[in-house]
Amino acid sequence: KAGVTQTPRYLIKTRGQQVTLSCSPISGHRSVSWYQQTPGQGLQFLFEYFSETQRNKGNFPGRFSGRQFSNSRSEMNVSTLELGDSALYLCASSPVTPNTEAFFGQGTRLTVV
Amino acid sequence: AQKVTQAQTEISVVEKEDVTLDCVYETRDTTYYLFWYKQPPSGELVFLIRRNSFDEQNEISGRYSWNFQKSTSSFNFTITASQVVDSAVYFCALLAANNNNDMRFGAGTRLTVKP
Repeated sequence: KAGVTQTPRYLIKTRGQQVTLSCSPISGHRSVSWYQQTPGQGLQFLFEYFSETQRNKGNFPGRFSGRQFSNSRSEMNVSTLELGDSALYLCASSPVTPNTEAFFGQGTRLTVV
Repeated sequence: AQKVTQAQTEISVVEKEDVTLDCVYETRDTTYYLFWYKQPPSGELVFLIRRNSFDEQNEISGRYSWNFQKSTSSFNFTITASQVVDSAVYFCALLAANNNNDMRFGAGTRLTVKP
């Protein structure tokens, strides 16, 4: 059974640009959650998608958005990038809800210069 | 408020020593879930264990064991006979049933096991 796949693994962008990250969950899993990991703030919840709908959202500005497709794959988008957006972005895959089990991908390391 | 505290920022041990990683949590919910994850240098968070608030039984899995005590709001993780491959950052996390699937992580404990 394949694990959670995140692409790309590494990304370098310039301030002001936008970026799209992708997450393919474990086959059969319908919930995808996104987290941002930085040295200063640690791991912080961005949002969670289930059946193509954003079910929950963390405390991040509107520049952070996402979506989920009918095959459960999810993308997150960050517009007007700031230096502080440099982080490891992790997605977690769950069958229905993270409280049963949540398996993470290897993350996308975004560097904003 | 939901909060997880991992007071130990870094721990260094010599191979074969036992080591305990501490985790203290705060929540007002009566239904919640606790997790431990391992993050090796590759970045992926590796799932180790999940516990719900109604199950206080301790668990052992090979060299790993977990001690869940609701009375002290702690969910500690012990590695017995540590190995170099155990070197990683370990995160404790809390997911309260009424917290919108927002998993709260502790700051992590960096464990270094020296040969």
